[in-house]
Amino acid sequence: DTEVTQTPKHLVMGMTNKKSLKCEQHMGHRAMYWYKQKAKKPPELMFVYSYEKLSINESVPSRFSPECPNSSLLNLHLHALQPEDSALYLCASSLIFMRDEQYFGPGTRLTVT
Amino acid sequence: QKEVEQNSGPLSVPEGAIASLNCTYSDRGSQSFFWYRQYSGKSPELIMFIYSNGDKEDGRFTAQLNKASQYVSLLIRDSQPSDSATYLCAVTANKLVFGAGTILRVKS
Repeated sequence: DTEVTQTPKHLVMGMTNKKSLKCEQHMGHRAMYWYKQKAKKPPELMFVYSYEKLSINESVPSRFSPECPNSSLLNLHLHALQPEDSALYLCASSLIFMRDEQYFGPGTRLTVT
Repeated sequence: QKEVEQNSGPLSVPEGAIASLNCTYSDRGSQSFFWYRQYSGKSPELIMFIYSNGDKEDGRFTAQLNKASQYVSLLIRDSQPSDSATYLCAVTANKLVFGAGTILRVKS
């Protein structure tokens, strides 16, 4: 089973709202990732957690705040977003940080109004 | 020079033909190489990974890696219309870096 789940599938939020994206995997993977993907572009890495510790922050604005409550869960807290933050947000996981194949969840389509 | 380069396409092939997708990378320290398929509006789906020089076959898919030439390719045999998608080459050095993707169109 290589399933990564993400909720919600779609999210529309205003620039003053606070919302959270959730990601879950039960494959025993110890690395989890957040990516952002704009239309017709490849995924861009945002954050990496390895063994529940933040390992990489790709200079992401502070209006995006990641959290890894345990080895199976990954959250992305959103506040004061801008319309240009509208994108597909993808969660991925791999057995070992940055070495093994990454499996992606279905993504959350975010629209900021 | 981009870290991972792919021809954006579209690459058009007739149904039943072999589709050949190519990718070059710049970091000689790259260790892991992946091909993802992405349908419009969907997330990337891992279809092949290869870690050592040579060929790796899985069903209709063959991945080829040549580290000396910094080149990785994906062959799709007996192409089907359902193979029409964007194919993303991804390479791991200190992080996973994606190419821009090649659009494949298989015409019936």
